[in-house]
Amino acid sequence: GAVVSQHPSRVICKSGTSVKIECRSLDFQATTMFWYRQFPKQSLMLMATSNEGSKATYEQGVEKDKFLINHASLTLSTLTVTSAHPEDSSFYICSASRDRVIDEQFFGPGTRLTVL
Amino acid sequence: KNQVEQSPQSLIILEGKNCTLQCNYTVSPFSNLRWYKQDTGRGPVSLTIMTFSENTKSNGRYTATLDADTKQSSLHITASQLSDSASYICVVSLFSGGYNKLIFGAGTRLAVHP
Repeated sequence: GAVVSQHPSRVICKSGTSVKIECRSLDFQATTMFWYRQFPKQSLMLMATSNEGSKATYEQGVEKDKFLINHASLTLSTLTVTSAHPEDSSFYICSASRDRVIDEQFFGPGTRLTVL
Repeated sequence: KNQVEQSPQSLIILEGKNCTLQCNYTVSPFSNLRWYKQDTGRGPVSLTIMTFSENTKSNGRYTATLDADTKQSSLHITASQLSDSASYICVVSLFSGGYNKLIFGAGTRLAVHP
């Protein structure tokens, strides 16, 4: 149990376009989902926390207008990278938790974004 | 500042050997400490989770220890296998604003050679 999927696994896009990444909890309801970014040989950096039906909470330094997060249901959260630029190229990972007072986050397999 | 530091940055061992990875943290208020395994190009997978009162926890060939007084943890891998080649990430959780917020270490890259 506690499987989290992401789609797509890899995406290549042109500079200036927008890219949407989906994160789904397959066998549980995720009241809270998290989005992380990971650059090569670095650790995961939390971008934002989202709860179903409410606005996401962004970490300091993360542009909320550039990284749009929607948590429309208890099993789906989306991250849209708007007007992507080469510096947005990274590995994006989501995680999901069953409740607000979290004792376990289940991670998705990640999405590799390359912006040309 | 809440930080998690891991050592060594990278490690190469021969198949069948044991190894120990270290994690030091300065995180407050401490909630729990987790070790994750992350294969290249994949998301992290949980190995162990320990609360303040737990000193050791095992998961197969993986054994984690926690010293909450010195704020140190270790992950011991026994009888390493080629499939153990991955990054091992120490993550400390603090309870803040109604959530458990995860503070990630940079990871130790382990390579197991035949």
